[in-house]
Amino acid sequence: DIVMTQSPDSLAVSLGERATINCKSSQSVLYSSNNKNYLAWYQQKPGQPPKLLIYWASTRESGVPDRFSGSGSGTDFTLTISSLQAEDVAVYYCQQYYSTLSHTFGQGTKLEIK
Amino acid sequence: QVQLQESGPGLVKPSGTLSLTCAVSGGSISSSNWWSWVRQPPGKGLEWIGEIYHSGSTNYNPSLKSRVTISVDKSKNQFSLKLSSVTAADTAVYYCARDRRGQLLSAGMDVWGQGTTVTVSS
Repeated sequence: DIVMTQSPDSLAVSLGERATINCKSSQSVLYSSNNKNYLAWYQQKPGQPPKLLIYWASTRESGVPDRFSGSGSGTDFTLTISSLQAEDVAVYYCQQYYSTLSHTFGQGTKLEIK
Repeated sequence: QVQLQESGPGLVKPSGTLSLTCAVSGGSISSSNWWSWVRQPPGKGLEWIGEIYHSGSTNYNPSLKSRVTISVDKSKNQFSLKLSSVTAADTAVYYCARDRRGQLLSAGMDVWGQGTTVTVSS
């Protein structure tokens, strides 16, 4: 089983400042045949289902603001919000889909306004 | 656009079987997508339960595999989840989702149902 570990568990950032969330996988999620990282990021607001933000580690989903970006490769990944807006308060999850046996999620990172 | 709607009993007795259905509208369940179940216990994170392709191929979370069955009904454009021998630990919001893993140019779970709360209690 691939274990996904996010850091920090919670984060408080001032409006307009940068927010950075990290995600580490217990084994590489880079598929060598296509050079793609099988890693997605989701945003979940209270009472709502998760929303897909990023896939292939760095491809922004259609309609997602460009202040959201994903980076990293292999086992270490980062979600960056370049200028935090009030509506970005949420819990963020990374997920690997490299292993067909289990598409594990990270434990989540709660993002708040400082 | 594609929409998903979960349905099923909100209360299940311990040792019983949890049964949920996810109706797919606005698109075909026979498209190049996988169809997944994800759950979220109260106040906790997301747990992937398993997935199915329209051909009937399935993948299950190893920690739940002995108790989970996911099936597809193409005639009704829906897929279903059965979880047997439930305990209080299975109390959660259950989501169904479309996973674009079968597509070449995109990926990720891009469409989600609103979720349905299932409580395991006598």
